[in-house]
Amino acid sequence: DAGITQSPRHKVTETGTPVTLRCHQTENHRYMYWYRQDPGHGLRLIHYSYGVKDTDKGEVSDGYSVSRSKTEDFLLTLESATSSQTSVYFCAIRWGGGTEAFFGQGTRLTVV
Amino acid sequence: ELKVEQNPLFLSMQEGKNYTIYCNYSTTSDRLYWYRQDPGKSLESLFVLLSNGAVKQEGRLMASLDTKARLSTLHITAAVHDLSATYFCAVDLPFTYGGATNKLIFGTGTLLAVQP
Repeated sequence: DAGITQSPRHKVTETGTPVTLRCHQTENHRYMYWYRQDPGHGLRLIHYSYGVKDTDKGEVSDGYSVSRSKTEDFLLTLESATSSQTSVYFCAIRWGGGTEAFFGQGTRLTVV
Repeated sequence: ELKVEQNPLFLSMQEGKNYTIYCNYSTTSDRLYWYRQDPGKSLESLFVLLSNGAVKQEGRLMASLDTKARLSTLHITAAVHDLSATYFCAVDLPFTYGGATNKLIFGTGTLLAVQP
């Protein structure tokens, strides 16, 4: 398995609180991605990174921010959690364009 | 904006039958990927297709890519229950107008249920 770890794996939080999810890799892959998975929507790209301090928005970036201060870590922050952000979040890594992506085990986030 | 559409969204089929899942995308790309997801699990890479006419096969699954039609297919031959899962295609945007690269966009997935 690719060395990719998401933490936490499960989290329940209250509306209005900030939440940070962490994706850690040991593969030295350049690209890292955050997706959310919801029934009927497949996987939707939130943000991705193409290098340290280099990030770009995805399809559903409103309400989310990211940071990548070193190659191995990509953080996803929900600035003020809302119930609509209840979802399963997946991190993915890959070496470059034209290569397969490897996924973490997912984080189930519930906002109450 | 890149759109990736799969159909059908749900497929119930009997063991031993053949069927095809379709993946259409809206902009130029010659990089397409297929993934499998079992219930409650993460995604697993199945195929990487990197050129027009590319065909890959693994067991009862065969994937192909037609970049001119912006279409990929995942063909299932003689389905077995173990193939029951959700299948996703994903398309790689090689570059964006902002200069960032390799944005990976997924389709909505096809839930495949193979009945005995």
